[in-house]
Amino acid sequence: QKEVEQNSGPLSVPEGAIASLNCTYSDRGSQSFFWYRQYSGKSPELIMSIYSNGDKEDGRFTAQLNKASQYVSLLIRDSQPSDSATYLCAVGFNTNAGKSTFGDGTTLTVKP
Amino acid sequence: DAGVIQSPRHEVTEMGQEVTLRCKPISGHDYLFWYRQTMMRGLELLIYFNNNVPIDDSGMPEDRFSAKMPNASFSTLKIQPSEPRDSAVYFCASSWRGYNEQFFGPGTRLTVL
Repeated sequence: QKEVEQNSGPLSVPEGAIASLNCTYSDRGSQSFFWYRQYSGKSPELIMSIYSNGDKEDGRFTAQLNKASQYVSLLIRDSQPSDSATYLCAVGFNTNAGKSTFGDGTTLTVKP
Repeated sequence: DAGVIQSPRHEVTEMGQEVTLRCKPISGHDYLFWYRQTMMRGLELLIYFNNNVPIDDSGMPEDRFSAKMPNASFSTLKIQPSEPRDSAVYFCASSWRGYNEQFFGPGTRLTVL
């Protein structure tokens, strides 16, 4: 079992729809959770971080964390073609260790 | 403030040659990470440093790979001798302790012929 697993893609949604990206992790001691966006040919870019159970909203993006279920998700509302990218989930094991483990990513395509 | 800087951006070399990749982290960050990304294997952590000291090099594929961080503003990843299977994009990232949020450089695309 991988330490961080993401729902297999690719994921395709129409423009204006909600895109839902999911991630599960195996280590119950994990304390920090991140979503990175990577456009084709570019480097990963941090878009959301979440540390506590519940929802965290930033513009059209909402990260949801459920530590009991070892589950973290990213919702993108009003999806735009510019959101088409690969989204990487990353999990850190404690806030001072520095290291994060990345999932394999989910590729999202938003169709006009 | 400038982000993470990597050089070269592209490197094409022949099998058996030595390759050196360079990274300058964001000023004030005390963690530095080297990753390799391929279509087949995704994003792999090779090694990371804290305060210039290597903490975990378990991801380094073999002895042909080595990494150094002589000071807080510079790190190198060296491959000697290089092989075609080393062809990948190599990313350097840095972070500040306590947050784990990593900031990635633009990457070096390495092609070994």
